[in-house]
Amino acid sequence: GQQVMQIPQYQHVQEGEDFTTYCNSSTTLSNIQWYKQRPGGHPVFLIQLVKSGEVKKQKRLTFQFGEAKKNSSLHITATQTTDVGTYFCAGPEAAGNKLTFGGGTRVLVKP
Amino acid sequence: DTEVTQTPKHLVMGMTNKKSLKCEQHMGHRAMYWYKQKAKKPPELMFVYSYEKLSINESVPSRFSPECPNSSLLNLHLHALQPEDSALYLCASSPLDRMDYGYTFGSGTRLTVV
Repeated sequence: GQQVMQIPQYQHVQEGEDFTTYCNSSTTLSNIQWYKQRPGGHPVFLIQLVKSGEVKKQKRLTFQFGEAKKNSSLHITATQTTDVGTYFCAGPEAAGNKLTFGGGTRVLVKP
Repeated sequence: DTEVTQTPKHLVMGMTNKKSLKCEQHMGHRAMYWYKQKAKKPPELMFVYSYEKLSINESVPSRFSPECPNSSLLNLHLHALQPEDSALYLCASSPLDRMDYGYTFGSGTRLTVV
């Protein structure tokens, strides 16, 4: 079945610095979704990318979908303590209404 | 209303107990899901309901029994669980007619089996 992998698993970031987390799928995706889960919370939908090479921005967050639609990245600039949490990418399986989550990148911010 | 409401928030049950988790949404979403999440792991899909019909069962043990009484409600009936079933159980919903819409998750039920 489809596998979605994320690196790094953990990211320790100094407040104010930038970082990037990467997502790779074993299969071509029709779209890729990104979610954020705060400690003790539940996943919250951030964005969906559909087109090859698509780039979308949400304030300090920049999301990119690869040309081959098998990888994606999330870049955060000027990290803040509010960015703490786990960021998951997720891709739908070809058949059925099924979303497979990557392992997540756990972000810790040092003030 | 843009929320998915799950009850209870916390549940402790014995291995011989029967309990139910409840999930409700009033966004008109026709797909509803149950996910299981262990600590420091991603959510794992258990069941998918589309138009109130079970469309995906990810080989979940029969001690978990889902039910979708109507388009707004989703239940998960629990019976004879094992300690390893302790986890956060997340309900989610999504529309079936929009490509640009992600899943809306509830805040989950944190289940402990003793």
